[in-house]
Amino acid sequence: DTAVSQTPKYLVTQMGNDKSIKCEQNLGHDTMYWYKQDSKKFLKIMFSYNNKELIINETVPNRFSPKSPDKAHLNLHINSLELGDSAVYFCASSQMDGVLYFGEGSWLTVV
Amino acid sequence: GQQLNQSPQSMFIQEGEDVSMNCTSSSIFNTWLWYKQEPGEGPVLLIALYKAGELTSNGRLTAQFGITRKDSFLNISASIPSDVGIYFCAGLGNSGYALNFGKGTSLLVTP
Repeated sequence: DTAVSQTPKYLVTQMGNDKSIKCEQNLGHDTMYWYKQDSKKFLKIMFSYNNKELIINETVPNRFSPKSPDKAHLNLHINSLELGDSAVYFCASSQMDGVLYFGEGSWLTVV
Repeated sequence: GQQLNQSPQSMFIQEGEDVSMNCTSSSIFNTWLWYKQEPGEGPVLLIALYKAGELTSNGRLTAQFGITRKDSFLNISASIPSDVGIYFCAGLGNSGYALNFGKGTSLLVTP
């Protein structure tokens, strides 16, 4: 069983569209995250939820909206997609020790 | 989050050579972690360090938590082609919620 799974793995979409990426973890962790990896491979945190409550909200355009229906799921919705949103988006989860377990990534290409 | 200084940025070595990379921070961390990311995959945890001075091994990998708590290094002995990937250091500070990542060391190993 995959510990942290996210879908879709690849997404190609046009500018201006709205898209969602879903994430689920079966590790029983309380905290989930979204990270963005740019073309230079730098990993930057976007959001974090602890038990469905938003605890980290980095400087991210408000076109990005996370939603956590329960502590095993954290989805990312992106409105009005722009070319600069093209990146790899990683979902991750952790327990209180903060050690992250990552999903396989969602490769988003905006054309 | 704070960015860590990770070096070298890239390494191109021959199979059998030893590899060393390090990470420094201007802040103290309570936890240092090392991850490896292979092409098309998410980062995978290699080693976790929880105490200053701690030296931990995982097969051919050895990592140390610096005494000042502001640095860590990772050594890979007798490298093999499957060691290819990007190695990230990450530190967890007092917030306990979000890892700060280095920019990664890209490792290429030729047979």
